[in-house]
Amino acid sequence: QVQLMQSGAEVKKAGASVRLSCKIFGSTFNLHWVRQAPGQGFEWLGIINPSGGGTIYAQKFQGRFTLTRDTSTSTVYMELSSLRPEDTAKYYCTSEPAHESWYFDYWGQGTLVTVSS
Amino acid sequence: EIVLTQSPGTLSLSPGERATLSCRASQTVTTRSVAWYQQKPGQAPRLLIYAASRRATGIPDRFSGSGSGTDFTLTISRLEPEDFAVYYCQQFGMSSKYTFGQGTKLEIK
Repeated sequence: QVQLMQSGAEVKKAGASVRLSCKIFGSTFNLHWVRQAPGQGFEWLGIINPSGGGTIYAQKFQGRFTLTRDTSTSTVYMELSSLRPEDTAKYYCTSEPAHESWYFDYWGQGTLVTVSS
Repeated sequence: EIVLTQSPGTLSLSPGERATLSCRASQTVTTRSVAWYQQKPGQAPRLLIYAASRRATGIPDRFSGSGSGTDFTLTISRLEPEDFAVYYCQQFGMSSKYTFGQGTKLEIK
């Protein structure tokens, strides 16, 4: 059983950066970030291996999306810079249980990020 | 990028009826990479099906998945009141890209 606990809601101005956290309880192979704009579907942002630290980012977000991890606290951080109003969404961390599972078995509760112009 | 198109957009059924939800990919996808999720208002998604047809832990056997190539189906054999929600399909493809369908809303008739 894995539990993912995310940080609280954020309100930012356009152009700012936001840093969100996801604390992992239990063990997972990879940790992904996915976002859902209000009333919309899901968009995949990137992946980090909490153990080795390796990352892969969706091409759309390369250059302004960064994932890091702190192994001492089992916490993963995502930072999104140069925020735009269209980045307003609920951001989820979600776990991939094993190498090339290609699905997400546990989800955090989500963090709402609101970006105003 | 592989686009997943779900149909119908909204499905109105009564408890006890059978629900059939479709997910069509714009090109052939790896069967092992197809998953289905359920999302209720204000909640995170819940994994139902992975590898197109394998039920996740704790998921009732009234949920089943099938399909291959470009066409995948989620079937709920006998709807329970708690099954009314939005359902999303998801796949993993080239360039390490995960994509989701736009969702099917299953509502009470």
